[in-house]
Amino acid sequence: GAVVSQHPSWVICKSGTSVKIECRSLDFQATTMFWYRQFPKQSLMLMATSNEGSKATYEQGVEKDKFLINHASLTLSTLTVTSAHPEDSSFYICSAAGAAGNSPLHFGNGTRLTVT
Amino acid sequence: QKEVEQNSGPLSVPEGAIASLNCTYSDRGSQSFFWYRQYSGKSPELIMFIYSNGDKEDGRFTAQLNKASQYVSLLIRDSQPSDSATYLCAVNAQGAQKLVFGQGTRLTINP
Repeated sequence: GAVVSQHPSWVICKSGTSVKIECRSLDFQATTMFWYRQFPKQSLMLMATSNEGSKATYEQGVEKDKFLINHASLTLSTLTVTSAHPEDSSFYICSAAGAAGNSPLHFGNGTRLTVT
Repeated sequence: QKEVEQNSGPLSVPEGAIASLNCTYSDRGSQSFFWYRQYSGKSPELIMFIYSNGDKEDGRFTAQLNKASQYVSLLIRDSQPSDSATYLCAVNAQGAQKLVFGQGTRLTINP
């Protein structure tokens, strides 16, 4: 089955620094990947759609200059949280699907970000 | 109105009984429906997906879809304590891979 790998699984950083999270599709090519954020006891909220070779599409209310997304290849998308603040502490999860429009999304294991 | 709605629970079910989880959605153009299970601190894992009206069974799990009434449900037969988790309903529109999630239902199976 489709496997999505996410790294790191957890990270602690100081306020004002930047953190990069990687998402890889291991056994399939993903032209589109999705980045979600989940706060405690809340559901997943889509942040942006990452498109290989083009700019990401951000959801309303998500700052594109703060959450930089790069999708340089068919198997790798990165999310960089720039100038992180404590309110950015959250569980960040990437996902990818196969080529078919209705393919199920498979999720990475998530990254727990704590900004001190 | 939220796009995808679920009862947040908690829903408590005795071990061995049937757990019934429900989800409604607002977009009549939705084409694909998914159920994910999420354990605390973990990312969601896909349990089932359904595209057509009716029932779809996979082991102890049955997904039910009624597009006319805009609801999708998940039945878990012979519930086990290991089924205790948050169950997320997700919906996407035709040709779109972007999923919209409900808030999730927290299920507890009591031994």
